[in-house]
Amino acid sequence: KNEVEQSPQNLTAQEGEFITINCSYSVGISALHWLQQHPGGGIVSLFMLSSGKKKHGRLIATINIQEKHSSLHITASHPRDSAVYICAVLETSGSRLTFGEGTQLTVNP
Amino acid sequence: EPEVTQTPSHQVTQMGQEVILRCVPISNHLYFYWYRQILGQKVEFLVSFYNNEISEKSEIFDDQFSVERPDGSNFTLKIRSTKLEDSAMYFCASSEDQNYGYTFGSGTRLTVV
Repeated sequence: KNEVEQSPQNLTAQEGEFITINCSYSVGISALHWLQQHPGGGIVSLFMLSSGKKKHGRLIATINIQEKHSSLHITASHPRDSAVYICAVLETSGSRLTFGEGTQLTVNP
Repeated sequence: EPEVTQTPSHQVTQMGQEVILRCVPISNHLYFYWYRQILGQKVEFLVSFYNNEISEKSEIFDDQFSVERPDGSNFTLKIRSTKLEDSAMYFCASSEDQNYGYTFGSGTRLTVV
């Protein structure tokens, strides 16, 4: 059974700080997704990765397939970045995403 | 930007009643999914759908659940006889290909009383 673990569970930062959220998983995957969930509940896809690194604005996602680990970085964090960040993986055998518990990020002004 | 549309945004139903949750996926997407999130818990997979049939379903997706693509645009999730534990946020998602990014709808909050 695939386990997806995120750390930390909760993260509080001051505006401008560099943020890192980590995700590890236990089985082979074909892709890893980073998602953002706001208090209203809606889910927004940030990145899909199968190797290397992707950057979009202040967000950077990296993945190390051999180590079964991914990180999401936020540079120059802002209060509007406050949300739950979720890692989800697509196993090589199947069509389902397996989700982590999420990381609640709060950025204070 | 194309969106996945879900209706209703919130539904309250009596235990034992049937509910149908509706989704309009992005028009050129071929893969459709339902996920749910019980309050305070992580998102869980329910079912994936491709080429007018279920391609994978989870242990949660028992005989009380069914999915349908009744026309070229809608994708529905039916729960035949709702239980209190079916109360959750239900998300529809679609993708052009399994290995491409997903687009999620904004969810339907189902409350069973």
